Amino acid sequence: SQQGEEDPQALSIQEGENATMNCSYKTSINNLQWYRQNSGRGLVHLILIRSNEREKHSGRLRVTLDTSKKSSSLLITASRAADTASYFCATVLNTGFQKLVFGTGTRLLVSP
Amino acid sequence: DTGVSQDPRHKITKRGQNVTFRCDPISEHNRLYWYRQTLGQGPEFLTYFQNEAQLEKSRLLSDRFSAERPKGSFSTLEIQRTEQGDSAMYLCASSLAAGTPRSFFGQGTRLTVV
Repeated sequence: SQQGEEDPQALSIQEGENATMNCSYKTSINNLQWYRQNSGRGLVHLILIRSNEREKHSGRLRVTLDTSKKSSSLLITASRAADTASYFCATVLNTGFQKLVFGTGTRLLVSP
Repeated sequence: DTGVSQDPRHKITKRGQNVTFRCDPISEHNRLYWYRQTLGQGPEFLTYFQNEAQLEKSRLLSDRFSAERPKGSFSTLEIQRTEQGDSAMYLCASSLAAGTPRSFFGQGTRLTVV
């Protein structure tokens, strides 16, 4: 079963705009990761944030984590057409191995 | 290219046939995972290996499914007596037991059961 949901399910923006995706989850976590998936392809790891961290940056990506609300957000700044993809959050529980529990994903379309 | 390879990339099979998929993880990774992804959904965990030992199996893995990882290297996932509901993308991922808990995914095998 999915750990939680992502919001919005789909997002359509113009190049240069920022894209924000939100993820909610249900149980306590060890860390939360964001992955990107181009249509019909595998997943590419973007960024990992641990449960004791509140914000992380990587290039044009900014991730926040609020463990009290069991939610995370991914911000992509200055979006490009090449950012068009599905984005998934995935949580890792405190089970001792890194099983990923994925959300439902956000489909991002960036138009030139 | 993440370094994890899966074969085949696409498989079309008739209902009732058996299929087998292969995953070659990054060579030094001792953890290997299989996930299944249906259209419009996030991947769902199927099973996990640490070296050659299969340590966890999801309820999604019915008795028609079997996975192996002989010698702790490549892994195979076999589906017997395929059903139309088995149509999905099957994803393999690998990671190290220690250090940065990040998984590397293969490109997946898309199975279509007709």
